[in-house]
Amino acid sequence: DGGITQSPKYLFRKEGQNVTLSCEQNLNHDAMYWYRQDPGQGLRLIYYSQIVNDFQKGDIAEGYSVSREKKESFPLTVTSAQKNPTAFYLCASSMIGTGGTEAFFGQGTRLTVV
Amino acid sequence: KNQVEQSPQSLIILEGKNCTLQCNYTVSPFSNLRWYKQDTGRGPVSLTIMTFSENTKSNGRYTATLDADTKQSSLHITASQLSDSASYICVVSEWGYQKVTFGTGTKLQVIP
Repeated sequence: DGGITQSPKYLFRKEGQNVTLSCEQNLNHDAMYWYRQDPGQGLRLIYYSQIVNDFQKGDIAEGYSVSREKKESFPLTVTSAQKNPTAFYLCASSMIGTGGTEAFFGQGTRLTVV
Repeated sequence: KNQVEQSPQSLIILEGKNCTLQCNYTVSPFSNLRWYKQDTGRGPVSLTIMTFSENTKSNGRYTATLDADTKQSSLHITASQLSDSASYICVVSEWGYQKVTFGTGTKLQVIP
């Protein structure tokens, strides 16, 4: 089945540690995105990538890093510089094109700092 | 700055009743508007997607409307069911640019 997969579903991190969230898609989509969702707030864009080996900062990129070595994969690293990393993280992918482009989302990773 | 505002923030309705959720946006130039349903702790799932030339689109009991002149959209849910309890998110894309703007969502609770 085609889709977008995030792992793990739940992740616990100690303060000061870096953690990496996985996002894989087999939809042959060019663009991939990472969003953060906090309770009572909308999704906020962290990073996005439109092509392999290229990515752009979103609205809240500080404390995060990404890579896009393969079209199918867009891992997100939450670094120790991120002051408040506890949140629900969503990965999405979409085709590049004109109007009508739809984004598909993964099931999310809930990160908790302990 | 592009914005997408949704109302109401939360809504409680009785099972079987209809409801309408609102989305106003300032994104320009406009490409498309999508409504997503997000169950608690899950990723959003697309309900409808509308481009500039589309005024209405249905998906079962969900009907979305779009007025591109006033930059308003609505999502109407008919004969609500308990499974409709979720957050509904309005997402607007800018033409030729893959960065999208998300609304904060409307949390709908359907009660027996």
